[in-house]
Amino acid sequence: NAGVTQTPKFQVLKTGQSMTLQCAQDMNHNSMYWYRQDPGMGLRLIYYSASEGTTDKGEVPNGYNVSRLNKREFSLRLESAAPSQTSVYFCASGLGTGKNEQFFGPGTRLTVL
Amino acid sequence: GDSVTQMEGPVTLSEEAFLTINCTYTATGYPSLFWYVQYPGEGLQLLLKATKADDKGSNKGFEATYRKETTSFHLEKGSVQVSDSAVYFCAPNRDDKIIFGKGTRLHILP
Repeated sequence: NAGVTQTPKFQVLKTGQSMTLQCAQDMNHNSMYWYRQDPGMGLRLIYYSASEGTTDKGEVPNGYNVSRLNKREFSLRLESAAPSQTSVYFCASGLGTGKNEQFFGPGTRLTVL
Repeated sequence: GDSVTQMEGPVTLSEEAFLTINCTYTATGYPSLFWYVQYPGEGLQLLLKATKADDKGSNKGFEATYRKETTSFHLEKGSVQVSDSAVYFCAPNRDDKIIFGKGTRLHILP
């Protein structure tokens, strides 16, 4: 099992460019999540999807969109990147019960110039 | 709203020293409590968890006890190793919403 995979690992964008971060899991989990990690801030939830076909905003959704393409895949899109979106982005998946762990991907390091 | 406070780092210890990383939280109801660890260049992975009051989670020599009275979930290890150098996150989870602490960076010197 690959677990949670993310692409790309690194990306540099110019302000105003768009891009999509891809995430896939092979653990048959219902729930998937996108977080951003900034120095000294811990991880903050951007969007989550409790099941295929549903998505909900997290703590910091502005400037992002998501798509739950199927049960395995959950993508994060930046339509017009801003320097404030420079961060490390983590995708995670889990059973969604609250009592079980979330499994994290290796992350995407994004720099917006 | 829900929040979590954990010890600021970095924490630097010598190998075989005793480790405590404090964590307290505020939350409605009784969340499940997790510690995640992040090794350099990697994503987070579960270290241990406890889902109800007085439960003790343990893994790799680390332990933490769910203290409802003090709303705390302090992480301890009796004898740390160089390989324990990482960032540790306390993470209450209520209704599948995790509130992550800011993380405590741990350096273990040989």
